[in-house]
Amino acid sequence: GAVVSQHPSWVICKSGTSVKIECRSLDFQATTMFWYRQFPKQSLMLMATSNEGSKATYEQGVEKDKFLINHASLTLSTLTVTSAHPEDSSFYICSHLLAGNQYNEQFFGPGTRLTVL
Amino acid sequence: GDSVTQMEGPVTLSEEAFLTINCTYTATGYPSLFWYVQYPGEGLQLLLKATKADDKGSNKGFEATYRKETTSFHLEKGSVQVSDSAVYFCALRQPLTSNQFYFGTGTSLTVIP
Repeated sequence: GAVVSQHPSWVICKSGTSVKIECRSLDFQATTMFWYRQFPKQSLMLMATSNEGSKATYEQGVEKDKFLINHASLTLSTLTVTSAHPEDSSFYICSHLLAGNQYNEQFFGPGTRLTVL
Repeated sequence: GDSVTQMEGPVTLSEEAFLTINCTYTATGYPSLFWYVQYPGEGLQLLLKATKADDKGSNKGFEATYRKETTSFHLEKGSVQVSDSAVYFCALRQPLTSNQFYFGTGTSLTVIP
C-alpha cells in the first residue's frame, strides 16, 4: 500500500525556536496534503489543507504565520512551527491524498511528537 | 454539518472477548465511512472502510457494516487479542464534495491476557 513517512518522529526544542517537520509520500504522488494536530487522548484536529500550486488553506483558529506549510512537490510537504512555545507541544500528523477515483483515500504519516520546553 | 459520534472509552477486555465500538454519524447524502487504528506512538492506519449503504468493511478479523437507516458504522471483532490494544477512530468523508475527514474522538481499547 501507499506509504507516507514523517521526519523527525520526535523532537524536543527550546521555547522560541522554529521546528520543521517533513512529510513524504514514498510511492505515490499527492496533489492534496493535510496537516493534523492531536492533543493527548483527543481526536485529530485538521489544521490546514494544501493543494499543489496554491497556498495552504487554514482552518479557523489556526495561525498561518505560526504554522507555515509548504507544498514543496507532489511527494513532499513541510510544516514549520515558528517561534514555538510550550502550548505548541503536540502530536502532528500529516496525510497525503491518493487521488485517482471517486473514493480518494488519505494515507497518514506516523506522526511527529513535538515537545517545547 | 457532518460529524461522527463515537462510543467513549476506555474499553478494557479480556483476551478472546467480543468487541463492539459504537459509531454513529450525521451527514447529508452518502458519505464514505472509515475505521482507523492508532497504535501507541504511531500515526493512524486505515483498518477498514465502506463506501455505500449495506457495505461491510472487514480486515484483520474486524468488521463494520454501513447502516444508513440507523446512520451507524459499529466496529466488531469476535475474539480480541492483546495486540489489538490501540485507539480506534471512526471517520467519514463526503467523497464527491470534500477531501476532509471528520473524525470521532477515538476509543481506547486495552486487551488484557
